[in-house]
Amino acid sequence: QRVTQPEKLLSVFKGAPVELKCNYSYSGSPELFWYVQYSRQRLQLLLRHISRESIKGFTADLNKGETSFHLKKPFAQEEDSAMYYCALYNFNKFYFGSGTKLNVKP
Amino acid sequence: DGGITQSPKYLFRKEGQNVTLSCEQNLNHDAMYWYRQDPGQGLRLIYYSQIVNDFQKGDIAEGYSVSREKKESFPLTVTSAQKNPTAFYLCASTGRADSPLHFGNGTRLTVT
Repeated sequence: QRVTQPEKLLSVFKGAPVELKCNYSYSGSPELFWYVQYSRQRLQLLLRHISRESIKGFTADLNKGETSFHLKKPFAQEEDSAMYYCALYNFNKFYFGSGTKLNVKP
Repeated sequence: DGGITQSPKYLFRKEGQNVTLSCEQNLNHDAMYWYRQDPGQGLRLIYYSQIVNDFQKGDIAEGYSVSREKKESFPLTVTSAQKNPTAFYLCASTGRADSPLHFGNGTRLTVT
């Protein structure tokens, strides 16, 4: 199992759309998550695909054909600046991508 | 207030010494995990435990050891056999197999 986040750093201006990419390799029905780490805070869950929620304006759609679980937000805010990790759960293990640092400029 | 506590926040050791990182949770979670976080590499799994007195190796277990004598506690020992021990270590727990992880604040270990 592998989780790939191709972008180390993503910089956007406030109000611009943002998409953080996540691709996975897994043969089966994956359990996928997005975690976020704000400055000087602990890593925390942002959303998981089975709940199909929108948290803080973020959504993520599982595309099994493209094996992707990209995180999207239509209008980025400065407070969204953080480190984002995509994670896959399988057989009692959570596999994390290398993370993408999102920088939202004023 | 429930949560996961890792201590200490910063730890300094000389090369060749073993060091133990503490992780305690009061969430009544069965499963606990240790990850290592290095810049540009994300989180890599060291060890995990699904139940008391049982634990399994993760992807990078060499040079590390753990114990799970109590449900609340999952200490990690970084031994002198670990070639690159300087890193940020995260402990996490979850109550159900596929439930999201709850993380501690981490311990930054520096070995010189």
